[in-house]
Amino acid sequence: SQQGEEDPQALSIQEGENATMNCSYKTSINNLQWYRQNSGRGLVHLILIRSNEREKHSGRLRVTLDTSKKSSSLLITASRAADTASYFCATELSANQAGTALIFGKGTTLSVSS
Amino acid sequence: DAGVTQSPTHLIKTRGQQVTLRCSPISGHKSVSWYQQVLGQGPQFIFQYYEKEERGRGNFPDRFSARQFPNYSSELNVNALLLGDSALYLCASSLHTGELFFGEGSRLTVL
Repeated sequence: SQQGEEDPQALSIQEGENATMNCSYKTSINNLQWYRQNSGRGLVHLILIRSNEREKHSGRLRVTLDTSKKSSSLLITASRAADTASYFCATELSANQAGTALIFGKGTTLSVSS
Repeated sequence: DAGVTQSPTHLIKTRGQQVTLRCSPISGHKSVSWYQQVLGQGPQFIFQYYEKEERGRGNFPDRFSARQFPNYSSELNVNALLLGDSALYLCASSLHTGELFFGEGSRLTVL
């Protein structure tokens, strides 16, 4: 079963515009992560935000977390064609000294045209 | 430093056959996990291994099995393949920081 659900499922924008993707989840979390996947390839970790954080930045990425609403958003500013990819939010299924297992949402497919 | 490596990258099998997928984690990572990603969906957790022991299992049938070797590499085995097993199989390694490092995946097509 999916823990996180991204919205929208697909997003098409022009280069230079901002892209916002949302994620809702069901149960309490320790942290929430965002990953990026270029077509048919492996996932790349973008950012991790802890439950006691409300906002986090990394380059052109801004992630917010609202634990009261069980939601997170990923903002990509000044989008480039190279940002075209699928973006997934993920929460922990389990986490201990043995490592982490994650539950992923279905993803948002972002298309940035030049 | 080498990232997570997986082999083979692509393979085609027929229903009823068996497949073995391989994964080498990032050097120093002792935890390896496997995910199945069906087209259009997010990855689904299959197994987690740490120090050669199974530490977690997702909701997959017993046809799926895995193991981890002393050098922390791992194999995923799927028996009695079904059409629905066609997917991208992703391996990830991690420390205890929460972040997963994924390989490029093995794309399995079952005919």
